[in-house]
Amino acid sequence: AQSVTQPDIHITVSEGASLELRCNYSYGATPYLFWYVQSPGQGLQLLLKYFSGDTLVQGIKGFEAEFKRSQSSFNLRKPSVHWSDAAEYFCAVGAPGAGSYQLTFGKGTKLSVIP
Amino acid sequence: DTAVSQTPKYLVTQMGNDKSIKCEQNLGHDTMYWYKQDSKKFLKIMFSYNNKELIINETVPNRFSPKSPDKAHLNLHINSLELGDSAVYFCASSFMELAGENEQFFGPGTRLTVL
Repeated sequence: AQSVTQPDIHITVSEGASLELRCNYSYGATPYLFWYVQSPGQGLQLLLKYFSGDTLVQGIKGFEAEFKRSQSSFNLRKPSVHWSDAAEYFCAVGAPGAGSYQLTFGKGTKLSVIP
Repeated sequence: DTAVSQTPKYLVTQMGNDKSIKCEQNLGHDTMYWYKQDSKKFLKIMFSYNNKELIINETVPNRFSPKSPDKAHLNLHINSLELGDSAVYFCASSFMELAGENEQFFGPGTRLTVL
């Protein structure tokens, strides 16, 4: 079974600073990887996804993530954080299979932004 | 134009009651899901329906019963509510074909509080 680890429960950065949120996965085959963001009181919004091809993927809101197979990682990055980026971030791995499909989420990283 | 909608947004009820949460999607997706997010923000899939048929049924008490009247709706009925059922419940939808690649769109969540 697949699993996802987000080692950082809470990260605080200053506005304008760079950001990297860590994600490690465990899955026997090539994974489908996702980053979702959850703003307070809101549902989840997809930031970006990786299925194959270029290991550096670009997403919305200036986010990018890099898939590193050797490290089983899919870290999320942003060069300059805005106050509106404060939210909970979830990494997820998708397990395709005949007749079934599910996302397994990490426990999330809460991002706080200091003005 | 709400893609995935849930009602109600908040639900406060007494232990032992029976309640339902409704979910509707207008994206033309053929697969719908229910997730539970606990107090520590951990997201875990509960059910998945494809074309009105149950695909995934994780270890969930049989007090929880999903009902899919059509492809656009997946309702969650909960019998004999317990304190531990307090959580935020998210509905999501996607296409099953290439579902590992297609993103899941999430509703805004329903916060259930059992007193």
